[in-house]
Amino acid sequence: LAKTTQPISMDSYEGQEVNITCSHNNIATNDYITWYQQFPSQGPRFIIQGYKTKVTNEVASLFIPADRKSSTLSLPRVSLSDTAVYYCLLAYNNNDMRFGAGTRLTVKP
Amino acid sequence: EPEVTQTPSHQVTQMGQEVILRCVPISNHLYFYWYRQILGQKVEFLVSFYNNEISEKSEIFDDQFSVERPDGSNFTLKIRSTKLEDSAMYFCATSDGSFYEQYFGPGTRLTVT
Repeated sequence: LAKTTQPISMDSYEGQEVNITCSHNNIATNDYITWYQQFPSQGPRFIIQGYKTKVTNEVASLFIPADRKSSTLSLPRVSLSDTAVYYCLLAYNNNDMRFGAGTRLTVKP
Repeated sequence: EPEVTQTPSHQVTQMGQEVILRCVPISNHLYFYWYRQILGQKVEFLVSFYNNEISEKSEIFDDQFSVERPDGSNFTLKIRSTKLEDSAMYFCATSDGSFYEQYFGPGTRLTVT
């Protein structure tokens, strides 16, 4: 299974845009890139998924360059409630989902 | 919004005992998953289940673990003889397609003493 690398932690301030980059040099042709969010003592929550170029939904954008060796999750105007762990996953389907260590985002006032 | 529910929220058991963790999926979902998360560590995939069969399982899901849908609604994870290292948060997740987003339950905290 292809491995992902993310920063262990990031700090930001309320109202700022946060970009979390995930490296996945060995991504397979069939792999989709999926991001989940996890608050303490809760199950992960789906944020966004993409295969290439750019995907946007009501909470985030996902940028994927043409070579697909990395991806960037963009959270516009974060608030304190966005403090969580963010996971980047590669999977062809849900049977392949393997979580890494994730990025612990702390949003400060 | 529909949600996945899990019971119990916290289970304390003695080493060697059997435990059954229960999950009620979102009603139209047909794909079911179990994950675990040891305190302070990453979420680990255990097993996926579709059409009353295991689709995929990880190396963690050994003979001590089993899953079933006993009544067509609940989805259960059984650990036959618990070990101390089974202490973790266990999450059930469901989806309405193998390629679609998974919805996670709130988890069951299992403590083995």
